[in-house]
Amino acid sequence: KAGVTQTPRYLIKTRGQQVTLSCSPISGHRSVSWYQQTPGQGLQFLFEYFSETQRNKGNFPGRFSGRQFSNSRSEMNVSTLELGDSALYLCASSPDRGPYEQFFGPGTRLTVL
Amino acid sequence: GENVEQHPSTLSVQEGDSAVIKCTYSDSASNYFPWYKQELGKRPQLIIDIRSNVGEKKDQRIAVTLNKTAKHFSLHITETQPEDSAVYFCAASPGNQFYFGTGTSLTVIP
Repeated sequence: KAGVTQTPRYLIKTRGQQVTLSCSPISGHRSVSWYQQTPGQGLQFLFEYFSETQRNKGNFPGRFSGRQFSNSRSEMNVSTLELGDSALYLCASSPDRGPYEQFFGPGTRLTVL
Repeated sequence: GENVEQHPSTLSVQEGDSAVIKCTYSDSASNYFPWYKQELGKRPQLIIDIRSNVGEKKDQRIAVTLNKTAKHFSLHITETQPEDSAVYFCAASPGNQFYFGTGTSLTVIP
């Protein structure tokens, strides 16, 4: 099976702009989670979707949002970008209701100038 | 919510020595504890996991132990090799959500 894919791999934006990141899970996986990874902070949970429904949400401001489509592909959106949003954004998929191993994508490196 | 603490943040060992990374968690509902390895510039990959009904699990040079009473779990790597150099993350999950530690940067010195 093909692994988790994320697009784009790199993004450079300026403050105030918005950005949309995409994640395609492994075929058959219905759960998609998003994480923000910054040096020293580890992986911080953003949200998790299962069958197009957001099941869990981390402690991030409302500028961070997401959605999941019927084919399990997921997008996350960050509006009104701030310098502190610069990070590696990882998505991970797992087959069903947890907890099961999460398979990570390669990430999208977002730089906000 | 769950809180996972991981120590140490950096660890250097000589090739062939053992390495131990420790994590504690707070939510007694957590029942799944994976460990991920992330090499520089790559995605995290699962190296071993343990569920709450098991106290220890081993896979070749890697082992994980879980103490539910004390709410801590540890990763043990024996006979370390230079290719073990990476950042290791522990995590705890009570169900659908994963809570990660802040990572341990392991350096194996040849």
